[in-house]
Amino acid sequence: TAGITQAPTSQILAAGRSMTLRCTQDMRHNAMYWYRQDLGLGLRLIHYSNTAGTTGKGEVPDGYSVSRANTDDFPLTLASAVPSQTSVYFCASSDSASGGYNEQFFGPGTRLTVL
Amino acid sequence: GQNIDQPTEMTATEGAIVQINCTYQTSGFNGLFWYQQHAGEAPTFLSYNVLDGLEEKGRFSSFLSRSKGYSYLLLKELQMKDSASYLCAAKDSNYQLIWGAGTKLIIKP
Repeated sequence: TAGITQAPTSQILAAGRSMTLRCTQDMRHNAMYWYRQDLGLGLRLIHYSNTAGTTGKGEVPDGYSVSRANTDDFPLTLASAVPSQTSVYFCASSDSASGGYNEQFFGPGTRLTVL
Repeated sequence: GQNIDQPTEMTATEGAIVQINCTYQTSGFNGLFWYQQHAGEAPTFLSYNVLDGLEEKGRFSSFLSRSKGYSYLLLKELQMKDSASYLCAAKDSNYQLIWGAGTKLIIKP
């Protein structure tokens, strides 16, 4: 089982350019999440989706957009990248958005550098 | 506000025991998670506590005190492969995970 895949693995992007980070899961999980991880900070939630067709804003949504057209895919788009968006981006999924015990499974991450 | 505190870095010796503490303040509480993250890799799930007490899983145990907003992860018989960051995360009333910055554990031979 592949679990969660992300693409690309890494990318260098010129400021002002747009980019879509791809995330696909094969576990039929209802909930999906996008986090960014920066040195010295905890994982910060960018956007989430509790089920296909719905999305919500997390802690740091500005400059990012998402869509959830189906259960498996949850792409993250940067419309006009800025250097402060340099980070490692993790996609995650869980069986359900609600309930206590619903561990999140993480993809391998995308390392993005905006110059 | 919501906050998770854990030490930035800890050092321990191979074969020893180490305890990584975590304190949390969240709006509501729906459980406490510990994840392990090796350098350059994704976080992987270690444990979940929602009731007070100790949960043991092999060499790893996790403890929770809801009244104190406190948890710890106990690692026994440390191995070099345990060198990693350990992330504490609390689930709030909206079922969102609030993450600590992680504790980097360095194991020395």
